[in-house]
Amino acid sequence: DTGVSQNPRHKITKRGQNVTFRCDPISEHNRLYWYRQTLGQGPEFLTYFQNEAQLEKSRLLSDRFSAERPKGSFSTLEIQRTEQGDSAMYLCASSLDVGPQHFGDGTRLSIL
Amino acid sequence: DQQVKQNSPSLSVQEGRISILNCDYTNSMFDYFLWYKKYPAEGPTFLISISSIKDKNEDGRFTVFLNKSAKHLSLHIVPSQPGDSAVYFCAASASGGTSYGKLTFGQGTILTVHP
Repeated sequence: DTGVSQNPRHKITKRGQNVTFRCDPISEHNRLYWYRQTLGQGPEFLTYFQNEAQLEKSRLLSDRFSAERPKGSFSTLEIQRTEQGDSAMYLCASSLDVGPQHFGDGTRLSIL
Repeated sequence: DQQVKQNSPSLSVQEGRISILNCDYTNSMFDYFLWYKKYPAEGPTFLISISSIKDKNEDGRFTVFLNKSAKHLSLHIVPSQPGDSAVYFCAASASGGTSYGKLTFGQGTILTVHP
C-alpha cells in the first residue's frame, strides 16, 4: 500500500519531554501538510510544505513546534517541552499540487 | 471564528434511504470544497470535491451540491448503506497565494445508517 504513513501511531510522554513524529507521504506528492485534531473537532491546519519549502505556518504552531521536510520526501514534526494542551491527534496529509489531500492514520499524543 | 460549520452533530438514517449532510461557510474567498469520511482510529478519507465554478458534482452514490449565494454545500448519499456509518467532515480552501491548498474543516457530523 502506498498511502500516507505516520509513525508512531501512539505516543505517551511526560509533560516537559520532547517528542518527534514522522510522516511518509505518497511518493509522487509534492505537498505535505500537518494538522491537529482534538476530540469533537475537525482537523486544524498547522503547516505545509511544497517540496522542501515550508510555505505557511498557523498561529497554532507555537515556538515549541518545528517541522522539517529536508529532502522533499518524509517530514518530521517536533514538539519541545510538551504541555498538557498538546494532547491531540496529529495528522499528516499529502497531495499532488492542490489536488485532494490524502491523510495518514495519525499519531495520537498523550501527555501525562 | 468558525469559518466552516456543520450544525448537525449527528444524523440517523435507515438503510436504502437518502442521507443529506449539510455544511455552511462564511469566508467568501473559499472556492474549493471537499468532503471526507472518517472511521474511528483511521485518518480522514477523501470522498468527493467541488470547485466553485460548478454547482453539482456526482460520483456514484455521492453527490455534492454547492449554493454559492447561500454559502452552503451539502452531501447526498443515496442509497445509504450501513458501511457509510462514520464521521463526515466538510472542508474548504481558497485559491491564490501561499494558502492555496490549506484546508479549513467543519466540526463533523456523525452519520449512523441503520439496517
